[in-house]
Amino acid sequence: DQQVKQNSPSLSVQEGRISILNCDYTNSMFDYFLWYKKYPAEGPTFLISISSIKDKNEDGRFTVFLNKSAKHLSLHIVPSQPGDSAVYFCAASSGGSQGNLIFGKGTKLSVKP
Amino acid sequence: DTEVTQTPKHLVMGMTNKKSLKCEQHMGHRAMYWYKQKAKKPPELMFVYSYEKLSINESVPSRFSPECPNSSLLNLHLHALQPEDSALYLCASSQDRPGTNEKLFFGSGTQLSVL
Repeated sequence: DQQVKQNSPSLSVQEGRISILNCDYTNSMFDYFLWYKKYPAEGPTFLISISSIKDKNEDGRFTVFLNKSAKHLSLHIVPSQPGDSAVYFCAASSGGSQGNLIFGKGTKLSVKP
Repeated sequence: DTEVTQTPKHLVMGMTNKKSLKCEQHMGHRAMYWYKQKAKKPPELMFVYSYEKLSINESVPSRFSPECPNSSLLNLHLHALQPEDSALYLCASSQDRPGTNEKLFFGSGTQLSVL
């Protein structure tokens, strides 16, 4: 049973518009959430994180929103650029346990010029 | 230096071979991880070393044997693998031990093919 779900395998967005990637989780013990970006033949690269005590974290073009009651988080990229085209993984951990990061299956974002 | 370096980048091995994957970081991180990723699947945790001691083994078959010679190095020894073990093997590190909400830094991975 997947604890972290990314239900959209792919997303296509026009350059300059907003990209919204969604992630749902089932484990209420998760208290730390991260987004990773992965290009082909490379390892995942950390993008942005959020602690469960916050509902928003912003870093440049990237903003992560957390809705704890809905067990949902989203990553907004504004404006989207062709270089953002990659697979985006949502990950979650529970600091109270051994801190194993649980990853979603990923969403492939394509930003078209 | 904010890199996690993995060698080799690609490896093809037969089922009777013995090979090793290597991982190195010089960020002073005290936790190092091995993940396995199959195509179109999320990374799955295999092992965690925290302060050079094995702290997590996610029920990985004994044909995979991790080793942490020092705080900067992590090896994964492979022996008698099966074709279904073909995958991208990712090494990662974090500043502190798991459970402290530390972000992971990943290497580029070793793409392993078992024939």
